[in-house]
Amino acid sequence: EAAVTQSPRSKVAVTGGKVTLSCHQTNNHDYMYWYRQDTGHGLRLIHYSYVADSTEKGDIPDGYKASRPSQENFSLILELASLSQTAVYFCASSAGGERLFFGHGTKLSVL
Amino acid sequence: GDQVEQSPSALSLHEGTGSALRCNFTTTMRAVQWFQQNSRGSLINLFYLASGTKENGRLKSTFNSKESYSTLHIRDAQLEDSGTYFCAAENVGDNSKLIWGLGTSLVVNP
Repeated sequence: EAAVTQSPRSKVAVTGGKVTLSCHQTNNHDYMYWYRQDTGHGLRLIHYSYVADSTEKGDIPDGYKASRPSQENFSLILELASLSQTAVYFCASSAGGERLFFGHGTKLSVL
Repeated sequence: GDQVEQSPSALSLHEGTGSALRCNFTTTMRAVQWFQQNSRGSLINLFYLASGTKENGRLKSTFNSKESYSTLHIRDAQLEDSGTYFCAAENVGDNSKLIWGLGTSLVVNP
């Protein structure tokens, strides 16, 4: 079974602070994704990457940066966290055109 | 833009019964995936289909690209089947991103 590990599992941040969410996959997948899920809603794509050292904007990239330093690792960075960024964040990986596998999610609360 | 319409939005079943969830697509899709978000919030990949039908235990899924829909059938529902079910589709020519439905919230009652 594919393995995607996110850290931290939960985080409380202050408004205006910097937050980094990390994701590590051991699936040898080229594609990695960051999604956001708000209570009672579906998933929205923030950033994705299909190769190391390159990232692509998703559907809601504003206020977020991403970094893919290696095939295995993909980070999501909130330079200036805001209240509206309180949500659950999911990282996922796939081989591209194949099954998508998710991490357990990171619950972020911005106060 | 391209959309995935998922129905019903909510569903209640008694243990041992079954039902079908459906996703309709507004454009031709290359493949579809179905996910369950369980009570712990984890997203579990149930199926990936580029065509036809797949079955896994009490779950069966069908994808009809020509008629632009996919279904997920649950039979003999169990309490642990409760959760939210999402479908997500790949547009023809772009397998880098998925288009997501808004989910079906399923409650299985004793």
